[in-house]
Amino acid sequence: DAKTTQPTSMDCAEGRAANLPCNHSTISGNEYVYWYRQIHSQGPQYIIHGLKNNETNEMASLIITEDRKSSTLILPHATLRDTAVYYCIVRGFLLNYGGSQGNLIFGKGTKLSVKP
Amino acid sequence: ETGVTQSPTHLIKTRGQQVTLRCSSQSGHNTVSWYQQALGQGPQFIFQYYREEENGRGNFPPRFSGLQFPNYSSELNVNALELDDSALYLCASSRDSGPEAFFGQGTRLTVV
Repeated sequence: DAKTTQPTSMDCAEGRAANLPCNHSTISGNEYVYWYRQIHSQGPQYIIHGLKNNETNEMASLIITEDRKSSTLILPHATLRDTAVYYCIVRGFLLNYGGSQGNLIFGKGTKLSVKP
Repeated sequence: ETGVTQSPTHLIKTRGQQVTLRCSSQSGHNTVSWYQQALGQGPQFIFQYYREEENGRGNFPPRFSGLQFPNYSSELNVNALELDDSALYLCASSRDSGPEAFFGQGTRLTVV
């Protein structure tokens, strides 16, 4: 699985958009980009994933560059409850293969602090 | 739909002892993975079970072992505990057709 590089920490004002970057220059063609977050003292929470097209769900948007070597997670209106460590992970996704979600390789992530 | 539940939430053991941690997967999920998270680090993959068989393992010694039961719940067993085994142990469940893993709140193990 490809490695990712994320900034160690970021600050964001409450109500503003939080843009979290991730570099994954060695990503291969069949690898997806996943984002998880971990709020203090809780287990990681899935946010979003994508292959090459931009994706949006109720939590966030994922923008993947055309060459797929980097991506940005966007929280459109950050709240204090979005303060967490955000992990960017790249891995293959094998359809109809048992346990395809195992072996998520977490780095240290980006600690996002949302301030009032 | 119930979430992933882990027990116990906290545990203190003595070096050399054995420990069993338990995980109930989310309803309808047939895959369970276990992770170890040391303080200040991201979770590290230990192993995964799919339909009662281990089908993936990270860089952990054999004294870390597991089981998955017919109802897809799971156990993590650690023998001969070492001080460095002190960590948050996370269980995650998923469906083999789904892209996301659902994590429990974890068990905080302290080895003294």
